[in-house]
Amino acid sequence: QVQLVQSGAEVKKPGASVKVSCKASGYTFTTYSMHWVRQAPGQGLEWLGVINPSGGSTSYAQNFQDRITMTRDTSTSTVYMALSTLRSEDTAVYFCARSWQLLSPFDNWGQGTLVTVSS
Amino acid sequence: EIVLTQSPGTLSLSPGERATLSCRASQSVSSSYLAWYQQKPGQAPRLLIYSTSSRATGIPDRFSGSGSGTDFTLTISRLEPEDFAVYYCQQYGSSPRTFGPGTKVDLK
Repeated sequence: QVQLVQSGAEVKKPGASVKVSCKASGYTFTTYSMHWVRQAPGQGLEWLGVINPSGGSTSYAQNFQDRITMTRDTSTSTVYMALSTLRSEDTAVYFCARSWQLLSPFDNWGQGTLVTVSS
Repeated sequence: EIVLTQSPGTLSLSPGERATLSCRASQSVSSSYLAWYQQKPGQAPRLLIYSTSSRATGIPDRFSGSGSGTDFTLTISRLEPEDFAVYYCQQYGSSPRTFGPGTKVDLK
């Protein structure tokens, strides 16, 4: 069955960077796009961007353009989301979620990774 | 950016009752690109409905979606105990993908 397994919780200081991984299994990794979505405590869902694991092309939400990077490793079927210059407002659960085409809904989600930014 | 607004913020109902959730968009959304998700505490969202009215795999038929243009609706015909959760609408036809703020369906 399809599984998206994310890396564990992180605690970072303001100004630092974080890199979260999402390992896919149960399907052909390069045929589905992978999105990242975050959810601040008690808040709604915010889309961060998407990566095409086949060619590695990315599209980021404008609010994060200058400090987010999404990459992939096809040999391990893993995508990564790196966020730099962290601030307290970046404290959230970060989810990866796949879609079967670029303009498709998110049919499978990772379990989420809590990133806490605190001095 | 397409802004989605959901109403009501909270819906207090009893098992067996009908739930009607609304999602309104700031500009027209193609019906091909409107989805609904369910999220329970401590869990990832789960896809319920896509393309406005198509149920995702394994979703029971008490969940149905409708609408067009800027107004969309999720209906739960008879609430089961496991349906008490937060529901989000999402448009995925343009970038950035956006979500509504959610409607919480809780126990009356």
